[in-house]
Amino acid sequence: GNSVTQMEGPVTLSEEAFLTINCTYTATGYPSLFWYVQYPGEGLQLLLKATKADDKGSNKGFEATYRKETTSFHLEKGSVQVSDSAVYFCALSDLNNAGNMLTFGGGTRLMVKP
Amino acid sequence: GAGVSQSPSNKVTEKGKDVELRCDPISGHTALYWYRQSLGQGLEFLIYFQGNSAPDKSGLPSDRFSAERTGGSVSTLTIQRTQQEDSAVYLCASSLERYSNQPQHFGDGTRLSIL
Repeated sequence: GNSVTQMEGPVTLSEEAFLTINCTYTATGYPSLFWYVQYPGEGLQLLLKATKADDKGSNKGFEATYRKETTSFHLEKGSVQVSDSAVYFCALSDLNNAGNMLTFGGGTRLMVKP
Repeated sequence: GAGVSQSPSNKVTEKGKDVELRCDPISGHTALYWYRQSLGQGLEFLIYFQGNSAPDKSGLPSDRFSAERTGGSVSTLTIQRTQQEDSAVYLCASSLERYSNQPQHFGDGTRLSIL
């Protein structure tokens, strides 16, 4: 079956620090990969996506590259802000899965201090 | 509205009662999904609809859970004889189609608390 593993948090950084949140996956088919973000008190929002190997998704200074050889989709940002404090979820959906439901990682809480 | 709308935003009820949660997807989105977010289990898939039909009910945790969708739009998730382990945030998402490169857009969820 499909699964997503991401680093456990919380991750605590100072403002302007470099961020990496690791994500690896297993999938039986040809997945699309996503990062979703959940800000305090809000719902899940799509942050970025990549639909095939070597694609790079990017948004709001965040980026992640779909690495089929290492089955990874690590999230990076060069300089985090306090406003980036949130929970980040890595997820996949699979063309072989008729339902196209998302399989999520456990989430990583990011705390950015001024 | 522009996004996925869920109601109620919060629901507190006594163990053994039935509850009904509502989801209004983005207009024109044919695929609709229900997920559950709980402390112990993370984010779990429950059920999805393509139009009004639900081809995959494999994620429903027990036969106390059911869902329907009418008119290809609004969906309701019903939990009968609620138990304390049903306490969670229930999230609804919709997407334009069911293909995997179409992103799912989430509502703010219904926080369900069973006393």
